Order: sequence, then structure tokens, then C-alpha cells
Amino acid sequence: DQQVKQNSPSLSVQEGRISILNCDYTNSMFDYFLWYKKYPAEGPTFLISISSIKDKNEDGRFTVFLNKSAKHLSLHIVPSQPGDSAVYFCAASSASGGSYIPTFGRGTSLIVHP
Amino acid sequence: KAGVTQTPRYLIKTRGQQVTLSCSPISGHRSVSWYQQTPGQGLQFLFEYFSETQRNKGNFPGRFSGRQFSNSRSEMNVSTLELGDSALYLCASSTGTAGNQPQHFGDGTRLSIL
Repeated sequence: DQQVKQNSPSLSVQEGRISILNCDYTNSMFDYFLWYKKYPAEGPTFLISISSIKDKNEDGRFTVFLNKSAKHLSLHIVPSQPGDSAVYFCAASSASGGSYIPTFGRGTSLIVHP
Repeated sequence: KAGVTQTPRYLIKTRGQQVTLSCSPISGHRSVSWYQQTPGQGLQFLFEYFSETQRNKGNFPGRFSGRQFSNSRSEMNVSTLELGDSALYLCASSTGTAGNQPQHFGDGTRLSIL
């Protein structure tokens, strides 16, 4: 039973355009969400996070939106650059619920074309 | 500041053998978590150690075990290896609880079972 789902295995975007990566979750106890980026042969690297008390968090070209009622979050990359080509993982955990185990989605492979 | 170091990077074993993987966290990080990544399955949480104590455990059989030393370095052991254990094993460290802050990942150990 997947509690964190990334329904798009891949996404292709033109350089300079917006990339939107989506993530859905089923556990209403999740209150902390993160996005990681992973290049081949390297470990995941933390990108941006958001707690459930917010609905938006920005860091440079990266913005994460959280819609708690829909149990949905998205990562926006504007503008997209070829160096953003990587696999992006969404993760969620329940700090307040006492179970701190991070649950990851299966990832979305983003390709940004020059 | 040195990152998370995992050794070895690659390992080939046969069914029935056992294996030990090593992880050195970022200096000052007391939490070390282990994940298994297989194609199409994303990152599956194995366990988390904090100050030499196992704090959380994922849904894996008892063949998977770990420990943490007083210097925060951690080892993961898999006994009676099965073909399905072939995967990338990732270690991640953080200053506090894994579930409520970003983690720093190593580049992983690629384990292949013949």
C-alpha cells in the first residue's frame, strides 16, 4: 500500500519553461514533506521542504505547494535548466504522530531539453 | 565538511552469504538511517539509529540488522542473502530525528546477488 505516490514516472520539459512535479499522499497524519533530487550514481540531495502549517515554500527557482485537503503537493521549478535533469523524490513523515519514518514516493524522472 | 561516506561502493555476493555495509555520517550527526532502493520501488526505509539505539524500524525481515557505534558510524548486516536483496543501499544522516528534518545521503552501496 503506497502512502506516497508520484504518478508520473517521467516528465519532459523545454529549457526555460516551468517544470511541475506532483505527489499525492494518503496518510492524513503526514505533516512534514520534502523533495529530494537524485543524479545517477549519487545519493539523493535535499531540495526543499514544507510543514503542514504552510501551503507554500520558496527557495530560489524551487517552490513547493501543499494542498492538505486534497492530500497533494507539487514542486515547481522556474525556469527549468538542463542541470535540473534528475530523478525527483517526494517524501513525507508524521512528526506529530510520533512515527518519524520517512516515506518516499517512487520518483519522477525529469528531463530538461536545451 | 565531509559528506556521508558509504563503503564499499559495489559488492557482489552469492545467495546464502552474509554482507556488512558501512556508513560514516557527517560529523556531529547523531541519526543514521538506512534505505533500500530497487528499480520501480523508490526508497524503502530499513531502520534508524540514534545515539547507538535503534529508534525506528521499517517492514523488513530479521535478516536485515544494523548497529551504531559511539562515534555515530553505522553498519548494516544482511544475512542469508537472497536474489531479491540486490539493490542500492543508501545511508542518510541528520542531526536529529530522521522524520522531521532533511537528511544527507551517501552515494550508496550497490549490492548484487548472484
